[in-house]
Amino acid sequence: NAGVTQTPKFQVLKTGQSMTLQCAQDMNHNSMYWYRQDPGMGLRLIYYSASEGTTDKGEVPNGYNVSRLNKREFSLRLESAAPSQTSVYFCASSALDRYYNEQFFGPGTRLTVL
Amino acid sequence: AQSVTQLDSQVPVFEEAPVELRCNYSSSVSVYLFWYVQYPNQGLQLLLKYLSGSTLVKGINGFEAEFNKSQTSFHLRKPSVHISDTAEYFCAVSGNTGNQFYFGTGTSLTVIP
Repeated sequence: NAGVTQTPKFQVLKTGQSMTLQCAQDMNHNSMYWYRQDPGMGLRLIYYSASEGTTDKGEVPNGYNVSRLNKREFSLRLESAAPSQTSVYFCASSALDRYYNEQFFGPGTRLTVL
Repeated sequence: AQSVTQLDSQVPVFEEAPVELRCNYSSSVSVYLFWYVQYPNQGLQLLLKYLSGSTLVKGINGFEAEFNKSQTSFHLRKPSVHISDTAEYFCAVSGNTGNQFYFGTGTSLTVIP
């Protein structure tokens, strides 16, 4: 099993450009998440999808959109990138079929917005 | 609401010395606790988790953590660190719904030869 995969690994954008970060999991998990990681701030939840067909905002959703394409795939879109969106983005998934919510993470996408 | 506090942002320690990384949480409901490790330029990997039962939890790479409900703590320990333990460590607390997963700000462990 590949677990959680993310593409691309690195990306450089100019202010105002758009792009989509892709995430896929092969663990048959119901729930998927997008986080951003910034120095000194830990991981902050951008959006999550508790199950196929649903999406909800997390702590820092402004400037982002998401699509839960099917059970395996959850994409994150930046419509008009800003320098403040320079960060490392992590996708995660969890079964969420138990009483706890253990998450499995992808390798991350390092995004720089100039 | 739940929150996680990691009191130390950076912890330098000499090789083969013991280490403790501190984590405190606040929650009004039952919690499930996790420690994740992030090696340079990689994603997060689960070290260990507390769900219920014994308060001493053993994880991978010789790490262990103790759940202390009265002190609302879940400190991570290793009796003898190795150079390869140099990484960022995150404490996290979970509820049982999709948006109930909160991370601390992380502790950077540097093992000095």
